[in-house]
Amino acid sequence: AQSVTQPDIHITVSEGASLELRCNYSYGATPYLFWYVQSPGQGLQLLLKYFSGDTLVQGIKGFEAEFKRSQSSFNLRKPSVHWSDAAEYFCAVGGGYTGTASKLTFGTGTRLQVTL
Amino acid sequence: DAGVIQSPRHEVTEMGQEVTLRCKPISGHDYLFWYRQTMMRGLELLIYFNNNVPIDDSGMPEDRFSAKMPNASFSTLKIQPSEPRDSAVYFCASSFRRPGDNSPLHFGNGTRLTVT
Repeated sequence: AQSVTQPDIHITVSEGASLELRCNYSYGATPYLFWYVQSPGQGLQLLLKYFSGDTLVQGIKGFEAEFKRSQSSFNLRKPSVHWSDAAEYFCAVGGGYTGTASKLTFGTGTRLQVTL
Repeated sequence: DAGVIQSPRHEVTEMGQEVTLRCKPISGHDYLFWYRQTMMRGLELLIYFNNNVPIDDSGMPEDRFSAKMPNASFSTLKIQPSEPRDSAVYFCASSFRRPGDNSPLHFGNGTRLTVT
């Protein structure tokens, strides 16, 4: 079964500092990986996705993520955090297998707090 | 496009009452998903539809939960009778193709359900 682990429940960074949110996945083949962001009272918005090819993917709002197959990781990074980045971030995994391509599995989320 | 539209945004009801949550997916999207979000369990997929047909309802917690999609532009999630443990935020999401086919999920803003 596919699964996602986000080991950090809550992270606090200062505005302007760099950010890395961790994500580890379990999947039986090449996974499709996603990062979503959720602002308070809102639904989830897609930040970026990895399907194949270049293991470093760029997303919206200056975010990027790197797929490392050997470590089963897909960590999210941003060089300089803005106060507006404060939100909850979810990593998700899906795949090409029939029946799983439609069923994304989400991690439990990492809440990011940004201090001024 | 207006995005995925859910109603109501908030619902407070008493235990034993019937609750109906509504969703209008993005026009042209063939897949519709119902998720439940709680602090304890995170985001859980309850059921999803393809071309208005329920494909996988294995995430529906009990027979008290039912979902329908009578046409391409409308879906409901019904809980009858409701219980306090059903309190959660319920999200509807839609996608053009399967999320695993490079087709991102678009989420609504959710319905916060409180059962007293």
